[in-house]
Amino acid sequence: GDSVTQMEGPVTLSEEAFLTINCTYTATGYPSLFWYVQYPGEGLQLLLKATKADDKGSNKGFEATYRKETTSFHLEKGSVQVSDSAVYFCALTEFDAGNNRKLIWGLGTSLAVNP
Amino acid sequence: EAGVTQSPTHLIKTRGQQATLRCSPISGHTSVYWYQQALGLGLQFLLWYDEGEERNRGNFPPRFSGRQFPNYSSELNVNALELEDSALYLCASILTQQGSGFFGPGTRLTVL
Repeated sequence: GDSVTQMEGPVTLSEEAFLTINCTYTATGYPSLFWYVQYPGEGLQLLLKATKADDKGSNKGFEATYRKETTSFHLEKGSVQVSDSAVYFCALTEFDAGNNRKLIWGLGTSLAVNP
Repeated sequence: EAGVTQSPTHLIKTRGQQATLRCSPISGHTSVYWYQQALGLGLQFLLWYDEGEERNRGNFPPRFSGRQFPNYSSELNVNALELEDSALYLCASILTQQGSGFFGPGTRLTVL
């Protein structure tokens, strides 16, 4: 079945370091891909998305490119800040054969950025 | 535009009791997803409602149920509460055609 696999955390970085959180997926069709972020004590927020192959989603300095050939959607940021400390979730959504939307999540990767 | 709202923020129950959690989606959103976020387990899909009907459910026992009202708000009911039901329950409101979800702040359920 469809699935999303994220790198296990926690990830601990120093401020201004480069961030990569890996995400790979399996899907039978042509999914849309998302990254969500959950800041401490808050609900989930959509961070960025890409709806087709080679699309690049970007927001708040974060980027992710939809790579169909490697079935990946890795999240990157060139210089992290303490305020980026959060849990990051990779997700995909697609319609199944019955035209029902499926929304499938990774388990989340915790990021801690130290000053 | 108001975001997704959930109530109550916190709920404390004892084993065997019933819990009712509520969610109001963003205006115009017809799909509502419920998730359980237990410590260390990530997001577990519970239920999906669209246009008032249950479209899909995750791998949870029947004591987890819910419904969606004509105004698209939704209710999650958990009967015969067990200790392991303690978790954060998140509701997501989705505009079907866009696919991206907007989450509420969650209801923290504690079962003693």
